[in-house]
Amino acid sequence: GAVVSQHPSRVICKSGTSVKIECRSLDFQATTMFWYRQFPKQSLMLMATSNEGSKATYEQGVEKDKFLINHASLTLSTLTVTSAHPEDSSFYICSVPDDTQYFGPGTRLTVL
Amino acid sequence: AQSVTQLDSQVPVFEEAPVELRCNYSSSVSVYLFWYVQYPNQGLQLLLKYLSGSTLVKGINGFEAEFNKSQTSFHLRKPSVHISDTAEYFCAVTRTVSNAGKSTFGDGTTLTVKP
Repeated sequence: GAVVSQHPSRVICKSGTSVKIECRSLDFQATTMFWYRQFPKQSLMLMATSNEGSKATYEQGVEKDKFLINHASLTLSTLTVTSAHPEDSSFYICSVPDDTQYFGPGTRLTVL
Repeated sequence: AQSVTQLDSQVPVFEEAPVELRCNYSSSVSVYLFWYVQYPNQGLQLLLKYLSGSTLVKGINGFEAEFNKSQTSFHLRKPSVHISDTAEYFCAVTRTVSNAGKSTFGDGTTLTVKP
């Protein structure tokens, strides 16, 4: 199965700044990647589908201008949280779909 | 649309005891079923999956699950748990394998194994 990495593993930033999270598929060419967020003690919520070479598809209720997704190559998708606020603090996880989903280790974002 | 209900939010159990984590789903079409495990501050790891064939599916770490179409259930079992099995477990369903990313997840079950 696919091996997926994320960087950084955790980040702390001030309110109003932007944060970029990278998701890399290390051994699998991924035309599609998925971005989830997970609040403490809760399940995963699909935010968007990242499509290589085209615009991302956002789930209902997710602000596309706030959560910018770029999928510039078959091995890299980035999620940028723009003008972050404390309510954006969460655990962000990406996944690569193959026969099943292969998840990255997640990025813990804390906005002060 | 499909939905997933994990019937127990928390399951405490003693080491070496058997455990069952319950999962029910609803869907108007055929689905594929998955169980994932999540350790603290980590991503999800696939335990096992049901795509077709035998309804009894064996996964990693000694876990198994049985797909019951009539009861729309996919309960996860392990005959003897270890302390290291303490984690969050998620049941998920998806309509097609090629669209595996479009999964619907249950709310999770926290399994706590006590010595």
